[in-house]
Amino acid sequence: ETGVTQTPRHLVMGMTNKKSLKCEQHLGHNAMYWYKQSAKKPLELMFVYNFKEQTENNSVPSRFSPECPNSSHLFLHLHTLQPEDSALYLCASSQLRDPREKLFFGSGTQLSVL
Amino acid sequence: DAKTTQPNSMESNEEEPVHLPCNHSTISGTDYIHWYRQLPSQGPEYVIHGLTSNVNNRMASLAIAEDRKSSTLILHRATLRDAAVYYCILANFGNEKLTFGTGTRLTIIP
Repeated sequence: ETGVTQTPRHLVMGMTNKKSLKCEQHLGHNAMYWYKQSAKKPLELMFVYNFKEQTENNSVPSRFSPECPNSSHLFLHLHTLQPEDSALYLCASSQLRDPREKLFFGSGTQLSVL
Repeated sequence: DAKTTQPNSMESNEEEPVHLPCNHSTISGTDYIHWYRQLPSQGPEYVIHGLTSNVNNRMASLAIAEDRKSSTLILHRATLRDAAVYYCILANFGNEKLTFGTGTRLTIIP
């Protein structure tokens, strides 16, 4: 148990559906991250939030829409996804955006787009 | 961004020490060296990090070369639960994001 909880663990959606991934951290951290892990590829950083403000968007398509209502919660809203978006989506948090800080990851949401 | 190079895979016998190498020849003076591991069906897990000096914690030891162009993660006595993909990553102020490579897949042989 890392203190970072992601729901759902598995999600299957069609290309016309709208769904949301949820991440909650119980660690009192101020920075939260979304990563994408496609099969046989390295983790890719998607978004970074620091004190609820988005500080990084790594050229992610607009069909992925993040939301950070407070420092404990992070959402990833999905709409009109493509089959190539099928991947493991990981949420992480850290106390601060500081290179000395550890990242704590959730177990991820395994997304399949049909 | 400075990059790291790791072997794709390694094997080790159970209950023996494991030395996982990482090359980072373009490391800057302010880059911290982090190690994470990812067990099957889980998110990555922090293992250890350091800047210049060797570091020890309950999970592992980190040996950093004097010129900092390479480092080695040492698992003192491997167990089957240590089978995972191990990532060596650099981060510094101004580029705090951790960029993961393909890592080393460690297999433990009973």
